Amino acid sequence: QSVLTQPPSVSAAPGQKVTISCSGSNSNIVSNYVSWYQQFPGTAPKLVIYDNNRRPSGIPDRFSGSKSGSSATLALTGLQTGDEADYYCATWDSSLSAVVFGGGTELTVL
Amino acid sequence: QVQLQESGPGLVQPSETLSLTCTVSGDSMYTYYWSWIRQPPGRGLEWIGYIYYTGSPKYNPSLKTRVTMSVDTSKNQFSLNLTSVTAADTAVYYCARIRLAAQLAKYFFDYWGQGTLVTVSS
Repeated sequence: QSVLTQPPSVSAAPGQKVTISCSGSNSNIVSNYVSWYQQFPGTAPKLVIYDNNRRPSGIPDRFSGSKSGSSATLALTGLQTGDEADYYCATWDSSLSAVVFGGGTELTVL
Repeated sequence: QVQLQESGPGLVQPSETLSLTCTVSGDSMYTYYWSWIRQPPGRGLEWIGYIYYTGSPKYNPSLKTRVTMSVDTSKNQFSLNLTSVTAADTAVYYCARIRLAAQLAKYFFDYWGQGTLVTVSS
């Protein structure tokens, strides 16, 4: 059972928008910055969002992040079949003194 | 461009010690923190710990009694030892650079190795 809760799967049509939620608590999301990772099967995770809403160089502006209270959200607009992957949120948990990850969300572009 | 490469045995006997090394290229290890993360087959990510380039490791409390990390800046490498392994430690192990500013509550992994599968089995 992950400390951060994500939906197991989400889906949307090409060109549409999808959001992936990450729910936590006072000891993690509320008080610490959130990052998001994209992982294709058989490959390493890749950073797509850090500091709640900042994009690393090379990540298209179709990817955006936000945080409100104990939840964070990753949004993808203009969906492409190449966006099909697993997405993970992560943050520091001050009570556990550990980096914690969400359980991951599988994105399907129908 | 920073590159990381894990190396080590792909098969470890139960109760033995899992040892992996991560070689960093493309940038210096100085002033950065370095981390290990693992992913059991078909499951999510688990943070193992991080270490500063001068040492001073911090481990996941769930693994703390079995984990040791070290760094060798002369070789641009850092290492992981996990003792008394069981089948539950079977996973793809990733090394990564972690950017952190504890006072600002900022932690994220900006560069990752490709990962190496370690199977615990007799």
